[in-house]
Amino acid sequence: ILNVEQSPQSLHVQEGDSTNFTCSFPSSNFYALHWYRWETAKSPEALFVMTLNGDEKKKGRISATLNTKEGYSYLYIKGSQPEDSATYLCAFTRDQETSGSRLTFGEGTQLTVNP
Amino acid sequence: DGGITQSPKYLFRKEGQNVTLSCEQNLNHDAMYWYRQDPGQGLRLIYYSQIVNDFQKGDIAEGYSVSREKKESFPLTVTSAQKNPTAFYLCASSFTGFFYDTQYFGPGTRLTVL
Repeated sequence: ILNVEQSPQSLHVQEGDSTNFTCSFPSSNFYALHWYRWETAKSPEALFVMTLNGDEKKKGRISATLNTKEGYSYLYIKGSQPEDSATYLCAFTRDQETSGSRLTFGEGTQLTVNP
Repeated sequence: DGGITQSPKYLFRKEGQNVTLSCEQNLNHDAMYWYRQDPGQGLRLIYYSQIVNDFQKGDIAEGYSVSREKKESFPLTVTSAQKNPTAFYLCASSFTGFFYDTQYFGPGTRLTVL
């Protein structure tokens, strides 16, 4: 089973602060990296899927970057709002042809934005 | 409204009993997945199905069984052979069975075995 690590495990910020967290994954046979947002009592919701080294994706105040050669992705939130409070999950997959290829999730970063 | 439904939201069972968790989708997705969440761990794949009448084991399939007789439905049975079945179970689906494809999740079922 592949190891996907997310840091920090939890984060508390004030409303208006910008923040970022990291997802680390094995760099060999990289295929895709997913980011999901999971609010309490709701279903995980897809934010981004990234496949190319150097990819940058943006959705409102949230953006993500990808470095497949060194095996990491950053998620940035600009001007955090209380509604951004959630657990942010990343998930990694190798090439579908690779034996045992599947989506492997990290434990998540739990973000709390205080008003 | 298109989406994924899981029922029930909470489920209690006595030790030694089999229990089936329901997952239905009306998104016309080919692929469906079952994940398990435990405290301090990432979501772990139990079983997945890329097409009707076909499914594959994930990382923690022991003690579980599935069927995929209809495109819309992918029920998960937790058998008495599962040593630690108390957990939160999430079902997901995607348009294709490729793992670069976005997965859409249901609301989950929390199973407690007494």
